[in-house]
Amino acid sequence: AQTVTQSQPEMSVQEAETVTLSCTYDTSESDYYLFWYKQPPSRQMILVIRQEAYKQQNATENRFSVNFQKAAKSFSLKISDSQLGDAAMYFCAYLSGTYKYIFGTGTRLKVLA
Amino acid sequence: AAGVIQSPRHLIKEKRETATLKCYPIPRHDTVYWYQQGPGQDPQFLISFYEKMQSDKGSIPDRFSAQQFSDYHSELNMSSLELGDSALYFCASSLAGQVSYEQYFGPGTRLTVT
Repeated sequence: AQTVTQSQPEMSVQEAETVTLSCTYDTSESDYYLFWYKQPPSRQMILVIRQEAYKQQNATENRFSVNFQKAAKSFSLKISDSQLGDAAMYFCAYLSGTYKYIFGTGTRLKVLA
Repeated sequence: AAGVIQSPRHLIKEKRETATLKCYPIPRHDTVYWYQQGPGQDPQFLISFYEKMQSDKGSIPDRFSAQQFSDYHSELNMSSLELGDSALYFCASSLAGQVSYEQYFGPGTRLTVT
């Protein structure tokens, strides 16, 4: 069975600085997708970024980028120029042929002014 | 763009009562997923439907049942409610065959059982 691990329950970053959230996963499948979701206090699940396992190039969305290491089964999220609005719970998620998301336990990000 | 609609947004029930949560997927989406997120926890998959047929099942209690209707909306029925059922229930939808299989989440229904 697939598992997703986020080892950082909480992280803090100074406004305008850069922070990296870690995620590792375990799978025997070769074709899958990885996602980072943001959950602000409203608890809406907001997609931040996605990565297809077959793509070697790391995904980037404005200030958000990932470091995808397929062999190491690692999928970290880098947030550059952190803003107060980035403060939220961040979930790493795995999706494969079973079509259901498997989430990590989340990392709470605090942004300090 | 139209998003996933869930109703009601908030629901308060007493123990042993029943509750029905509704989900209206994005137009043309044919697959619906239900997730349960307890306080301080990550979302856990409950059940999914594709073209009105159950496609997968997770840790869904026998007290819960769900179905997808001909217009693709889905309902999650919860009976004999327990305090531990208090959670945020997400519905998500997707279009089978889309490249990324990305699921689009609704705003959730917050269920409180007292």
